[in-house]
Amino acid sequence: GAVVSQHPSWVICKSGTSVKIECRSLDFQATTMFWYRQFPKQSLMLMATSNEGSKATYEQGVEKDKFLINHASLTLSTLTVTSAHPEDSSFYICSGGGAIETQYFGPGTRLLVL
Amino acid sequence: GENVEQHPSTLSVQEGDSAVIKCTYSDSASNYFPWYKQELGKGPQLIIDIRSNVGEKKDQRIAVTLNKTAKHFSLHITETQPEDSAVYFCAAIRERLGNQFYFGTGTSLTVIP
Repeated sequence: GAVVSQHPSWVICKSGTSVKIECRSLDFQATTMFWYRQFPKQSLMLMATSNEGSKATYEQGVEKDKFLINHASLTLSTLTVTSAHPEDSSFYICSGGGAIETQYFGPGTRLLVL
Repeated sequence: GENVEQHPSTLSVQEGDSAVIKCTYSDSASNYFPWYKQELGKGPQLIIDIRSNVGEKKDQRIAVTLNKTAKHFSLHITETQPEDSAVYFCAAIRERLGNQFYFGTGTSLTVIP
């Protein structure tokens, strides 16, 4: 099946720094990708919808200036956590695909902000 | 928006027994209901799905049933094996609204050998 990769798989950073997470579709083109956040033992919460060539759509309560999303090509979406703080520590997952039956999830990126 | 509830939050079964996980949704316009299996430290993997025009779907040991009137759907795993141990998430999606996935709260399934 199709593959979605994320890089890095885990990252540790100091409070106040910015971290970029990449989400790539390896064998398909994704005009739309989704970014989720998952706290330990909790469900995936949709953060934003990333649209190729246009601005991302953010869910209510998600700060767009803090979680910058760029979808510059059909195979790459990036999520940048700006001025990260410990409360931003979480597991970030992206997904992409064509039809809803073919939404493929990435392996996730674990972020730890010290 | 859509609200998906999932029960139970944890489930332990003996190997070989069946496991059932139930989800309810709020948006009657939702028309696609996938189930995902997530292993520790990994992203979710689709295991089975069902559309609103179908009442039941089966794939080997896994089946999903949907009751549109009651707005609930269930995952059934028969002859459970230790490798079935994982966290399972249901989701409800309304097509034509950006295909946004609204996930249930997850069920941690443990199959005891």
